[in-house]
Amino acid sequence: GAGVSQSPRYKVTKRGQDVALRCDPISGHVSLYWYRQALGQGPEFLTYFNYEAQQDKSGLPNDRFSAERPEGSISTLTIQRTEQRDSAMYRCASSFPPPDTMLSYEQYFGPGTRLTVT
Amino acid sequence: GEDVEQSLFLSVREGDSSVINCTYTDSSSTYLYWYKQEPGAGLQLLTYIFSNMDMKQDQRLTVLLNKKDKHLSLRIADTQTGDSAIYFCAETPPSGGSYIPTFGRGTSLIVHP
Repeated sequence: GAGVSQSPRYKVTKRGQDVALRCDPISGHVSLYWYRQALGQGPEFLTYFNYEAQQDKSGLPNDRFSAERPEGSISTLTIQRTEQRDSAMYRCASSFPPPDTMLSYEQYFGPGTRLTVT
Repeated sequence: GEDVEQSLFLSVREGDSSVINCTYTDSSSTYLYWYKQEPGAGLQLLTYIFSNMDMKQDQRLTVLLNKKDKHLSLRIADTQTGDSAIYFCAETPPSGGSYIPTFGRGTSLIVHP
């Protein structure tokens, strides 16, 4: 079946603009995660959902960042009033069991959205 | 990724073995993972090991875990050019019951003929 998809793949925006990044998880996957990956770094956790409920948003850097998953499938990560320091690769991942079970060892990652703020 | 440390680069000749090392800090980690990232693609889980194991072998891949030293390694036998990628070590400490992985910075493996 299809893997995790993300759109757009590349986004260039001017400082101060809002951006919305979309993630389409694998069909039937319960959990959806957002990560941010700076150049030369590993993915850094932002937030995750079980179904439509946001379970943990402790990794969101500030209140300009928000995420939603209203129907428990597609998710949108929104960054308001973008700043140059927001430039990074934003990755989405999904897994079938929720992450509070011992079975949830595998997350399936999408290709990411490369965000550049000029 | 400051809780998980990896060397940044490894260069090997095709056909040799590669060993990628990782150290982590949380002794209560339950799962330890190796992910592979190829250019333009997402991270792909290569293998994982439970914290109560000390070795796991899967075809050309061997994972060794030294819990005392909090050291994890990934050995790739007969390394091929297609193995060139960035390899991420990750751990999942069971904080609050959510197994969210913490990733290292990644090791770039370069395989040359």
